[in-house]
Amino acid sequence: GAVVSQHPSRVICKSGTSVKIECRSLDFQATTMFWYRQFPKQSLMLMATSNEGSKATYEQGVEKDKFLINHASLTLSTLTVTSAHPEDSSFYICSAPSGLSYEQYFGPGTRLTVT
Amino acid sequence: GQNIDQPTEMTATEGAIVQINCTYQTSGFNGLFWYQQHAGEAPTFLSYNVLDGLEEKGRFSSFLSRSKGYSYLLLKELQMKDSASYLCAVRDLGNAGNMLTFGGGTRLMVKP
Repeated sequence: GAVVSQHPSRVICKSGTSVKIECRSLDFQATTMFWYRQFPKQSLMLMATSNEGSKATYEQGVEKDKFLINHASLTLSTLTVTSAHPEDSSFYICSAPSGLSYEQYFGPGTRLTVT
Repeated sequence: GQNIDQPTEMTATEGAIVQINCTYQTSGFNGLFWYQQHAGEAPTFLSYNVLDGLEEKGRFSSFLSRSKGYSYLLLKELQMKDSASYLCAVRDLGNAGNMLTFGGGTRLMVKP
């Protein structure tokens, strides 16, 4: 099946710094990718929809200036957490629909810890 | 938007059968998904239902009733490795690009 990768898998950063997370579709093109955040023992919460060649669509309550999304190509979307704070520590997961079927393919996730 | 409810936690015994229920409310239903997620890992696809009825895939089956806004995931011959969270997710016609909305997840603990 289709594969989605994320990099890095784990990152620790200091409060106030910025962190970039990459999401790549390895063997298919994705005009749309989704970014989710998951806090411990909670479900996935959609943060934003990343659209290739246009602006991302953010869910209510998600600050677009804090969570910068860039979808510069059909295989890469990036999420940058700017001026990170400890409360941004979470598991960030991206996904991409295959385009050919109903399935969405999830990346392995990125564990962000802000100290 | 969608409102998706599933039990928070369930416990079952190895070798037994467990049923995890999911109810949803949506204006433009366009498919229901079940995912399995082990701690610290990404969700993995289990099943997809868009028409009423039962879909069977090995030890896992999923049922859908669109008129009742109800689905269940049935796990047979439980194994210890089935201990995980099970996520119900709904796709709505009003959502762009196959976007899914997830329920809170059900943490299943399988005991010997």
